[in-house]
Amino acid sequence: DAGITQSPRHKVTETGTPVTLRCHQTENHRYMYWYRQDPGHGLRLIHYSYGVKDTDKGEVSDGYSVSRSKTEDFLLTLESATSSQTSVYFCAIMTSGANTGELFFGEGSRLTVL
Amino acid sequence: GESVGLHLPTLSVQEGDNSIINCAYSNSASDYFIWYKQESGKGPQFIIDIRSNMDKRQGQRVTVLLNKTVKHLSLQIAATQPGDSAVYFCAETFTGGGNKLTFGTGTQLKVEL
Repeated sequence: DAGITQSPRHKVTETGTPVTLRCHQTENHRYMYWYRQDPGHGLRLIHYSYGVKDTDKGEVSDGYSVSRSKTEDFLLTLESATSSQTSVYFCAIMTSGANTGELFFGEGSRLTVL
Repeated sequence: GESVGLHLPTLSVQEGDNSIINCAYSNSASDYFIWYKQESGKGPQFIIDIRSNMDKRQGQRVTVLLNKTVKHLSLQIAATQPGDSAVYFCAETFTGGGNKLTFGTGTQLKVEL
């Protein structure tokens, strides 16, 4: 268990409102990721971080921002939520060394934008 | 936990039979491939990986085969058990790619008793 938790686990919000999802880890791993999962698309990378204040975009980053002010927390923010952002969001951490694929995923956060 | 109502390709097998799940990858530069298992209501879980300098790798009851010529990856599960019922994803990445994985769309494996 890599000690990763996501919050909130469920959220319903309205179009145009800001939303922040939090990913917390307890083991000081360097790499953290935010993915979204949608029918027919599998998991798509939104943003990732390779250290405190070091982040980069994934393939579906439009409409999302992230912050990592300390090692243990990686925040995903939707500045103005849209219905197309209704999804299940997964945070992941890379628990082994670089150039491996051993991501450990959280339990997911289901977001519904009405 | 969370899950997504995915409309996925489905593979149905009898308990005790072997399962083969296939994946076609797209990036010729990819040199590292991984299989993940996602049970209902949970996040994906690492199963096995393989690098491009290999064409076969075995784990406990699982084998991954890589055919770089046709960009094809497969996961074989021996003596499939009810606990193997899940969605299986392949993922790819490449050296220098910033440790970013690209996932396939997944295959639903259903084990019939």
